[in-house]
Amino acid sequence: RKEVEQDPGPFNVPEGATVAFNCTYSNSASQSFFWYRQDCRKEPKLLMSVYSSGNEDGRFTAQLNRASQYISLLIRDSKLSDSATYLCVVGETSYDKVIFGPGTSLSVIP
Amino acid sequence: DAGVIQSPRHEVTEMGQEVTLRCKPISGHDYLFWYRQTMMRGLELLIYFNNNVPIDDSGMPEDRFSAKMPNASFSTLKIQPSEPRDSAVYFCASSPRDRPPLKAFFGQGTRLTVV
Repeated sequence: RKEVEQDPGPFNVPEGATVAFNCTYSNSASQSFFWYRQDCRKEPKLLMSVYSSGNEDGRFTAQLNRASQYISLLIRDSKLSDSATYLCVVGETSYDKVIFGPGTSLSVIP
Repeated sequence: DAGVIQSPRHEVTEMGQEVTLRCKPISGHDYLFWYRQTMMRGLELLIYFNNNVPIDDSGMPEDRFSAKMPNASFSTLKIQPSEPRDSAVYFCASSPRDRPPLKAFFGQGTRLTVV
């Protein structure tokens, strides 16, 4: 089993739709969780952290379920500019082990 | 703020040649990371430095790869000799000490093609 798994997609959704991505991780000792966004042929950029209580940033909501070892990202009212690959990132202590998921591709269509 | 600067942006080289990738981290950042991204393996951490000292190089694929950080504003990743399977996008990232880990800022990457 891979350490961090994501549905590769692609997810093709119309503008205005709500879309959710899930990510599962295998190491129960993982302590840090993030979502990064990567546009085509660009570098990854931090989208948001994921906190135990769940957190929201505008149209984006991230949630963590430690018991089931999964992280989710919900995008509401999707825009064309949301089209990108979304990378789930999991870390243990400090920088000892940083694992990027393979990414989920999203295409928002007019 | 100029961000993380990598050079060159693109590199095409012949198998067996030495390749040197360069990175200038964001000023004041204590951590520097080298990543490699391929379609098959995704984004992999190769090595990272803290205050110019290599901390973990367990991700370096083999002895053909080496990385140095002679000072706080410069790092290199060298491949000698290069092989076609080294073709990938290599990213450098940096992070400040006073922020949680993983909030790294990435450079635009070097797209390496070994023919």
